[in-house]
Amino acid sequence: AQKITQTQPGMFVQEKEAVTLDCTYDTSDPSYGLFWYKQPSSGEMIFLIYQGSYDQQNATEGRYSLNFQKARKSANLVISASQLGDSAMYFCAFTSYGKLTFGQGTILTVHP
Amino acid sequence: EADIYQTPRYLVIGTGKKITLECSQTMGHDKMYWYQQDPGMELHLIHYSYGVNSTEKGDLSSESTVSRIRTEHFPLTLESARPSHTSQYLCASSEFTSGSLPDTQYFGPGTRLTVL
Repeated sequence: AQKITQTQPGMFVQEKEAVTLDCTYDTSDPSYGLFWYKQPSSGEMIFLIYQGSYDQQNATEGRYSLNFQKARKSANLVISASQLGDSAMYFCAFTSYGKLTFGQGTILTVHP
Repeated sequence: EADIYQTPRYLVIGTGKKITLECSQTMGHDKMYWYQQDPGMELHLIHYSYGVNSTEKGDLSSESTVSRIRTEHFPLTLESARPSHTSQYLCASSEFTSGSLPDTQYFGPGTRLTVL
């Protein structure tokens, strides 16, 4: 079974600074994907970014980028120029064959 | 932006009641999913469907049941609610992709269920 781990229960960052949220995974599947979702206190899950196992370049979406290190089995999320609205829970998720397995989540708090 | 809806957003009911949580999507997605999430914890897949008349149990055992009679509709039912069912329930959908390419799941706003 796939395993996905987020080792940071909580992270703090100053507004306008960059922050990295860690995610590692364990799989023997050759084809898989990694997602990051944001969950504000209101509860909905917002899709942020996706990285495929065969993608040659790291994924980027605006202020979000994914630092994908396949050999180390890590897929860290980098948020540049943090904003107060970035305060939320962030989940890393692994997928192969269509089903998602979520990590434990990291609570990010952005200070003014 | 995904168009997936869940009702009600919040539900507080007494033990023993039958409840149905509604989930609808207007994107024509074949795949739909139900997740259960306790506060501050990760999501666990409890049901999924790959199309009309297809339903499967997820990784986390659940006393709830689902049906998929129409592509756009994937309701979840609890025949007799108990306090242990108190949780947030999130519905998601994704478009079927061929081959081994993973597909992106889009989530509804969730239903926060409290059983007294």
